[in-house]
Amino acid sequence: GGIITQTPKFLIGQEGQKLTLKCQQNFNHDTMYWYRQDSGKGLRLIYYSITENDLQKGDLSEGYDASREKKSSFSLTVTSAQKNEMAVFLCASIRGREQYFGPGTRLTVL
Amino acid sequence: GEQVEQLPSSLIVQEGASVLINCSYTDSASVYFPWYKQEPGKRLQFIIDIRSNMERKQNQRLTLLFDKKTKHLSLHITATQPGDSAIYFCSASLTNSAGNKLTFGIGTRVLVRP
Repeated sequence: GGIITQTPKFLIGQEGQKLTLKCQQNFNHDTMYWYRQDSGKGLRLIYYSITENDLQKGDLSEGYDASREKKSSFSLTVTSAQKNEMAVFLCASIRGREQYFGPGTRLTVL
Repeated sequence: GEQVEQLPSSLIVQEGASVLINCSYTDSASVYFPWYKQEPGKRLQFIIDIRSNMERKQNQRLTLLFDKKTKHLSLHITATQPGDSAIYFCSASLTNSAGNKLTFGIGTRVLVRP
């Protein structure tokens, strides 16, 4: 078996701050995803990567950057945190058709 | 782009009753429809899927029906248990190969009362 880990679990930032979220998987999966989960809005795709050094924009990429320097890791950067923003960011990787999700990073911006 | 709508947004049932969750999508080119479940405090997990060349799929107490003509799916959960309490997400994809992009619905929150 394998696992996806996300760090940190909780992230508190200030308005305008640049914040980085990290995701690691040991499944050896090629494709990885970053989603944002807001209450009442479901999951929205921010970025995905089909292999090391590949980046593809999702529907919600504005305001975010991503980096896939190694097959096992996928980072997401909030380029300028918005005041009162609250959301959970979920990382996932895929084997075949099934996506495996991490536990999430909960972001709060003061 | 693809839009996925789910109804109802929430429901409460008594243990042992059945649950029906409806899902509709807009892009007729979508071919693959996985469903995920998120129990309180736990990760999203895959529960069942269906491809556009199928009409029905069953996995134990879960039955997934697909109508390509109306672009509609429904997930039926029978003999519910408290462990079925979760948020259920419908999703749609234009491909069923690796690297697929999923568009998710907003989720249906199900509470099963013992």
